[in-house]
Amino acid sequence: SQQGEEDPQALSIQEGENATMNCSYKTSINNLQWYRQNSGRGLVHLILIRSNEREKHSGRLRVTLDTSKKSSSLLITASRAADTASYFCATVLFSGGYNKLIFGAGTRLAVHP
Amino acid sequence: GAVVSQHPSRVICKSGTSVKIECRSLDFQATTMFWYRQFPKKSLMLMATSNEGSKATYEQGVEKDKFLINHASLTLSTLTVTSAHPEDSSFYICSARAGTSGSLPYEQYFGPGTRLTVT
Repeated sequence: SQQGEEDPQALSIQEGENATMNCSYKTSINNLQWYRQNSGRGLVHLILIRSNEREKHSGRLRVTLDTSKKSSSLLITASRAADTASYFCATVLFSGGYNKLIFGAGTRLAVHP
Repeated sequence: GAVVSQHPSRVICKSGTSVKIECRSLDFQATTMFWYRQFPKKSLMLMATSNEGSKATYEQGVEKDKFLINHASLTLSTLTVTSAHPEDSSFYICSARAGTSGSLPYEQYFGPGTRLTVT
């Protein structure tokens, strides 16, 4: 990817279980964002965590950020079949006079009923 | 609010022809628009960034003569894939940002994508 790696690349779990996805990035950041993409669809913004924050919650989502390790994790608790999607982290890179949103490799999550 | 549309959602074309994809911000003015490309089961790769009324800035490795971007108004950007070949088959996603380049980065809204298949 243009920014970094996510692991796992694919994750298969049962409904009710928790899903943890990790993201690493290369550059210094002001914030890190997580997006969701259903198969063949556009992106949905899930959550943004600023560089001075270590943890953030939104509903069943919990995001952590470790700037010393240049890594973030997204935890989805009590997963549902409807959570099946690809999840991407993204950071902003200032280049060529623009703030550009650059995505990680993504994790494909499958939640089985 | 902040809806971005793309047209068409799917297109199939023959090798050698050109295809135009439109990206519109429906309820806001987008000073900056971005075009991404996504291969199956892969991440989004930024292709180019454009400001209304100026030439697009292309990422390294993206052929500007092949992927023509026009951002003629604050609500419309087009991507034209010229002389398309099967390897250009991909999912193309546009994104639009309101305000200046100093806007909060999460104010970037994504279109639903266009599936291009070149036969």
